[in-house]
Amino acid sequence: SAVISQKPSRDICQRGTSLTIQCQVDSQVTMMFWYRQQPGQSLTLIATANQGSEATYESGFVIDKFPISRPNLTFSTLTVSNMSPEDSSIYLCSVRLPGTSGGAQNIQYFGAGTRLSVL
Amino acid sequence: RKEVEQDPGPFNVPEGATVAFNCTYSNSASQSFFWYRQDCRKEPKLLMSVYSSGNEDGRFTAQLNRASQYISLLIRDSKLSDSATYLCVVNRRGTYKYIFGTGTRLKVLA
Repeated sequence: SAVISQKPSRDICQRGTSLTIQCQVDSQVTMMFWYRQQPGQSLTLIATANQGSEATYESGFVIDKFPISRPNLTFSTLTVSNMSPEDSSIYLCSVRLPGTSGGAQNIQYFGAGTRLSVL
Repeated sequence: RKEVEQDPGPFNVPEGATVAFNCTYSNSASQSFFWYRQDCRKEPKLLMSVYSSGNEDGRFTAQLNRASQYISLLIRDSKLSDSATYLCVVNRRGTYKYIFGTGTRLKVLA
């Protein structure tokens, strides 16, 4: 399994400001994933962060709004820029590791999330 | 149509009951399937992978029906601590993306 440390765990921010969320993993991983989970909704993938290259963004998410850094194989940051109340959500960092049961499936692990409220 | 669909519930069941959830997926190229559990205000955590032949882990049984494109989760002898949201997760062959369903909420009542 993976131990993922994500911070801050929560924040209340003013409209127009930016927040950077940090994610630290206890093992080296090629890809790190950033998700958003809005109230009552499931997880939506924002982008995939690869070490040494630009992040890959999903439809509806752009780099100017959600810049991502991936300086090494154990760390990534997601910035929520120029925030508005619509950005209020839980942001989750995630990695995938091979399963331990002998199957071929990769298991996805999550950080505890960052609960963001924008006023 | 969503790629992964679940009944949102809530399913309210008494302690000790057996409860089953289904999840349908639309892409026949899907190859990996999982059930995750998410407690209120917590991150999702893997409950179990779903294998083609079906698999069991204690009180939990997962089944895959490729012909009808659905997976199921059966919980026997429900406990109060089983109250949570259960997320169906599907991975499409050839991609790295895991698609999450919206979850089925279970409440086990004393």
